Amino acid sequence: EDQVTQSPEALRLQEGESSSLNCSYTVSGLRGLFWYRQDPGKGPEFLFTLYSAGEEKEKERLKATLTKKESFLHITAPKPEDSATYLCAVSKLIFGQGTTLQVKP
Amino acid sequence: DVKVTQSSRYLVKRTGEKVFLECVQDMDHENMFWYRQDPGLGLRLIYFSYDVKMKEKGDIPEGYSVSREKKERFSLILESASTNQTSMYLCASSLAGTGGGQPQHFGDGTRLSIL
Repeated sequence: EDQVTQSPEALRLQEGESSSLNCSYTVSGLRGLFWYRQDPGKGPEFLFTLYSAGEEKEKERLKATLTKKESFLHITAPKPEDSATYLCAVSKLIFGQGTTLQVKP
Repeated sequence: DVKVTQSSRYLVKRTGEKVFLECVQDMDHENMFWYRQDPGLGLRLIYFSYDVKMKEKGDIPEGYSVSREKKERFSLILESASTNQTSMYLCASSLAGTGGGQPQHFGDGTRLSIL
């Protein structure tokens, strides 16, 4: 069965404290893995697409990486405005349940 | 910028009513999707469409139907609303390509309450 699992469910960081969010997947015929950011009361906002193992994408303080079994979203020196729920999804339209990140000043 | 617009941010309806949720996208995307988002369950796919007048069932289509008469508009219909359909409903669109290989652009959702 195709499945996407994100961990941890919630993460609290101090401003400047780097960390990583994990997205593990078991999907046959992966045609892309996607990261989204969702703010309260808003729809998810697209961040990155990764298509093959070894691929990396960066945007400001965020870097996404992909292996054959999982993806990581690395957050370097986060700021309070990075607080949001981060969702991972695979090309079969399956979403993980998200990691809610809170960054305290 | 892609814009996906959902007709209502908040909606309150009664059990048994027929409910229409409307979604319009302005980027000429071929694909459109309807999800519901519930705490602890994440986003679940209800229906999607790869072309005008085409529709495909997602993971939880029971109690719902859809209509896509024009490329830019995708409607979700609750045939006879029930309390377990109280949820946040999200519409999305993406460029062509089956199998979900393109990133999706989401609207801001409709929070629907069924009393």
